[in-house]
Amino acid sequence: GENVEQHPSTLSVQEGDSAVIKCTYSDSASNYFPWYKQELGKGPQLIIDIRSNVGEKKDQRIAVTLNKTAKHFSLHITETQPEDSAVYFCAVSPGGSQGNLIFGKGTKLSVKP
Amino acid sequence: EPEVTQTPSHQVTQMGQEVILRCVPISNHLYFYWYRQILGQKVEFLVSFYNNEISEKSEIFDDQFSVERPDGSNFTLKIRSTKLEDSAMYFCASRADSLGEQYFGPGTRLTVT
Repeated sequence: GENVEQHPSTLSVQEGDSAVIKCTYSDSASNYFPWYKQELGKGPQLIIDIRSNVGEKKDQRIAVTLNKTAKHFSLHITETQPEDSAVYFCAVSPGGSQGNLIFGKGTKLSVKP
Repeated sequence: EPEVTQTPSHQVTQMGQEVILRCVPISNHLYFYWYRQILGQKVEFLVSFYNNEISEKSEIFDDQFSVERPDGSNFTLKIRSTKLEDSAMYFCASRADSLGEQYFGPGTRLTVT
């Protein structure tokens, strides 16, 4: 089955700096790659996603890049703010599935003012 | 903005008891999911449900688990005889169609004593 690896597990940056989180996956048939932000005590919240026919997608300070050949995708947050502090999860929807998501282990991002 | 709701927010039960976790997916969504997250770990897929039947399930979703959509709005997860290791956050999610984003509820924290 699909295996998703996420790095780093923790990331600390200064406010205003950029943060990059990387994920790799194993199933080349996987076709959907969302990123979720989870704040303490809450459910995962979708922040950006990308499909396999696109290499990059941007939404204001957040961008995701996908390299299908290498089977990895990354989340980029620019001009980080303290409210970006949370746990970020990458996820993969395996090819042929009914949309179920396989999650990475998460990255705890801390943005210091 | 429509959202997935879950009740209760916290459920405490004794080992061996049955529990039912309830979810109200976003109206007009067609695909429904349950995930769980053991404290400090990643989110794990349990089951997907479409067209009034289970479409996919993980190894975690054994005979102790069942799901039901008893009416047009609720989606439930039943654990027949709870074990200590069932203690976790359980998240319900829904999406509108086969290409839509998956939206998560706030979760139910299940504590088995």
